Amino acid sequence: DTAVSQTPKYLVTQMGNDKSIKCEQNLGHDTMYWYKQDSKKFLKIMFSYNNKELIINETVPNRFSPKSPDKAHLNLHINSLELGDSAVYFCASSQGLAGPGEQYFGPGTRLTVT
Amino acid sequence: GEDVEQSLFLSVREGDSSVINCTYTDSSSTYLYWYKQEPGAGLQLLTYIFSNMDMKQDQRLTVLLNKKDKHLSLRIADTQTGDSAIYFCAESPGSSNTGKLIFGQGTTLQVKP
Repeated sequence: DTAVSQTPKYLVTQMGNDKSIKCEQNLGHDTMYWYKQDSKKFLKIMFSYNNKELIINETVPNRFSPKSPDKAHLNLHINSLELGDSAVYFCASSQGLAGPGEQYFGPGTRLTVT
Repeated sequence: GEDVEQSLFLSVREGDSSVINCTYTDSSSTYLYWYKQEPGAGLQLLTYIFSNMDMKQDQRLTVLLNKKDKHLSLRIADTQTGDSAIYFCAESPGSSNTGKLIFGQGTTLQVKP
């Protein structure tokens, strides 16, 4: 049983296109996250949602728009893709916001913008 | 400010101990974590330590926390080739109750047979 799943696993697209990445978790968690990992493996949080409410919105261009239709899903839509958006995007989930809540990560979506 | 730093690379021989170091800046961090990332995969939590503890041991893993120096280390005893991965230190800033984690840039551990 996959705990946190993302689709697609690989995404190759041209500059200027709009694309979406989907994430689903079957752990019953309340909180979901999007992270970006660049080519140097640096991992930075982009967004988090708790019970469908936006909690964290780091300094991310407004071309990136997260959407949480329900607690189990957090999708990421990216408009007008740029070369610098090429990275691996990880979705994660945790039970709540406080305490030593383990974050469970998905396998990642490798986005390549040409 | 919120910043976490790690050395980028460590190479050890199978059977030796590995020590991965990390420094952080937020003295109000409540929890500090070690995550492991294997090639082509997402991160997996290895262990965490509460900020009022000095040490935590979990099988082959020992975490040491020096709160005064804001220094965290992960020791892996009897390192195996399967331990080859990237290890990320992370802190949860005390200023927020948002689940936010600040990650270091990761230490690539190479284990030679």
